[in-house]
Amino acid sequence: GAVVSQHPSRVICKSGTSVKIECRSLDFQATTMFWYRQFPKQSLMLMATSNEGSKATYEQGVEKDKFLINHASLTLSTLTVTSAHPEDSSFYICSARTLAGQMYNEQFFGPGTRLTVL
Amino acid sequence: AQSVAQPEDQVNVAEGNPLTVKCTYSVSGNPYLFWYVQYPNRGLQFLLKYITGDNLVKGSYGFEAEFNKSQTSFHLKKPSALVSDSALYFCAVRDISQGGKLIFGQGTELSVKP
Repeated sequence: GAVVSQHPSRVICKSGTSVKIECRSLDFQATTMFWYRQFPKQSLMLMATSNEGSKATYEQGVEKDKFLINHASLTLSTLTVTSAHPEDSSFYICSARTLAGQMYNEQFFGPGTRLTVL
Repeated sequence: AQSVAQPEDQVNVAEGNPLTVKCTYSVSGNPYLFWYVQYPNRGLQFLLKYITGDNLVKGSYGFEAEFNKSQTSFHLKKPSALVSDSALYFCAVRDISQGGKLIFGQGTELSVKP
C-alpha cells in the first residue's frame, strides 16, 4: 500500500520557538493532504486540508497564523507550529489522498509526530 | 451533517474469542465507511472500507465488517481475537458534502487478554 512518512517522529522545543513537521507521500502523488491533532486516547481532530498549489482550508477554531501549512508539491506538505506554547503539545498526524477516485479511496496516514513544548 | 458513533470506549475480549467493535452512522445519501486501527504512538492503518456492493466487507488482518443499512451500523468483527489485535480502533465516514474529508468516531480501545 501507499506510504506516508513524517519527520521528525518526536520533537521537544522551548516555548516561543517554531517547529516544522514534514509529511511526504513516498510512492504516490498526494493531491490532498490533511493535518490532524490527537490528544491521548482521543479521536483525531482535523486541523486543515491542503490541496497542492493552493492555500489550506482550516477547520473552525484552528488558528491559521499559528499553524502554517504549505503543500508546495504533490509529495510534500509541511506544518509549522509558530511560537509554540505548552498547550500545543500533542500528537500531530498527516494523511494523504490521491486524486483518482478520491471519494472512494482510503486516506493513508503518516506515523505521527509527538510535539512536546517545554 | 455526517457523523459516526462508537458507543463503547473499551472492549475487552479473551484471546481466541470472537470480537465486535460497534459503529453506527448518520449520513445523507450513500455512506462511504471506513475502519482504521491505531497502535500506540503510531498513525492510523487502514483496515477496510464499504463503498457499495456486498454488505460483508473483508479487510486486513482477518477483520471484516458488516454494513447494515436498516440499523445504520458498520460493526467491525473478527472470529478469533489475538493479543496483538489490542489497539485503538476508529470508524469513519467520508463527508462528501465537505470535500470528502473523513469524520472519525471517538475510538474504541480493544484489549485482548491471553
